Amino acid sequence: DAMVIQNPRYQVTQFGKPVTLSCSQTLNHNVMYWYQQKSSQAPKLLFHYYDKDFNNEADTPDNFQSRRPNTSFCFLDIRSPGLGDAAMYLCATSLQGGYEQYFGPGTRLTVT
Amino acid sequence: RKEVEQDPGPFNVPEGATVAFNCTYSNSASQSFFWYRQDCRKEPKLLMSVYSSGNEDGRFTAQLNRASQYISLLIRDSKLSDSATYLCVVNSLSGAGSYQLTFGKGTKLSVIP
Repeated sequence: DAMVIQNPRYQVTQFGKPVTLSCSQTLNHNVMYWYQQKSSQAPKLLFHYYDKDFNNEADTPDNFQSRRPNTSFCFLDIRSPGLGDAAMYLCATSLQGGYEQYFGPGTRLTVT
Repeated sequence: RKEVEQDPGPFNVPEGATVAFNCTYSNSASQSFFWYRQDCRKEPKLLMSVYSSGNEDGRFTAQLNRASQYISLLIRDSKLSDSATYLCVVNSLSGAGSYQLTFGKGTKLSVIP
């Protein structure tokens, strides 16, 4: 089945220790998104790639970076995680901008 | 005014009941609309897309009123498995010329035996 995969599902990192979350898709969608979701809040868009074009949200901290080496993979790098970065990180894809988005299962990040 | 507003609930309804959720949006140029459901500690899953005035899929009916800028979701014959948070999502063109989904905070539904 075509799908969006995220690894790991649970990640524990130390305060200030860089961490990378990964996302892969077999849907061959052009657009990939990274969201941060905290408890009882709506998902918050961090950035997205339209093919190779990177689009950063204005309020995404510089601490968050992303890479998309090819169509299938996209990575979220948190350079110096703080306690406030503990959240669920969701990857999503869509065929084109404006179409339905399909979400991966998420990576739950804990910062100690 | 918030971009996408939903009643947070919770809505506690008995099995078999009909329940309706409303959602209002502020951007009159919004292009398309979606309802997602999200179970506790899981990812959002697409429930319905709403491109024209409405859409129906089994027990679920979504309606769009562009003039009043609201979308509704009706669930008939509620099942225990319908218990979840329902997210209203609005798609708009951003100032940068790319599409952006804006999520409501969700409405929590609990279906009670």
